Amino acid sequence: IAGITQAPTSQILAAGRRMTLRCTQDMRHNAMYWYRQDLGLGLRLIHYSNTAGTTGKGEVPDGYSVSRANTDDFPLTLASAVPSQTSVYFCASSDGGSNEQFFGPGTRLTVL
Amino acid sequence: SQKIEQNSEALNIQEGKTATLTCNYTNYSPAYLQWYRQDPGRGPVFLLLIRENEKEKRKERLKVTFDTTLKQSLFHITASQPADSATYLCALYPPGANNLFFGTGTRLTVIP
Repeated sequence: IAGITQAPTSQILAAGRRMTLRCTQDMRHNAMYWYRQDLGLGLRLIHYSNTAGTTGKGEVPDGYSVSRANTDDFPLTLASAVPSQTSVYFCASSDGGSNEQFFGPGTRLTVL
Repeated sequence: SQKIEQNSEALNIQEGKTATLTCNYTNYSPAYLQWYRQDPGRGPVFLLLIRENEKEKRKERLKVTFDTTLKQSLFHITASQPADSATYLCALYPPGANNLFFGTGTRLTVIP
């Protein structure tokens, strides 16, 4: 059982480029989340999805978009990357909003 | 605005002693509080959940308390081991919210 997988593991991106971070879970969880983690700021929620077909904005949604076409996949897109989006990105899932979250291994993104 | 504070960025403790980590929050009436462990380069891993009507929760060498009057949770690791060295995150789930809010974490080092 893989749990949650994320791709790529790391990426260096030129400013202004478009980038999609991939996230797939095999636990059939309804809820999925995208966080970014920065030194001194902790984990901050970007977007979430309570169930396939629905999404919502988190604490820091600007510059990011998500889609949830099915239960398993929850890609995060940066339409035009900026250096302030340099961060480590974690995808997570849970089988209910208040229950434990399962995190992926993260994607380290550097925008130059 | 919502604010979660973990007592210190780093805590060093001698092997065999009890480590105590603190999580304080303001502007919340959380229904749930969770604790996660994060190792370098990895995603957080769920440890314990405690509800607002529970005073204490235990799991093996771990104990969590939740004082809604003081707006504080304490996380204890008894008989600490070097393998317990990691960053520990607390996370709050306010009533009616769609997501967890995370503290910035405390990096625990257990010295042999």
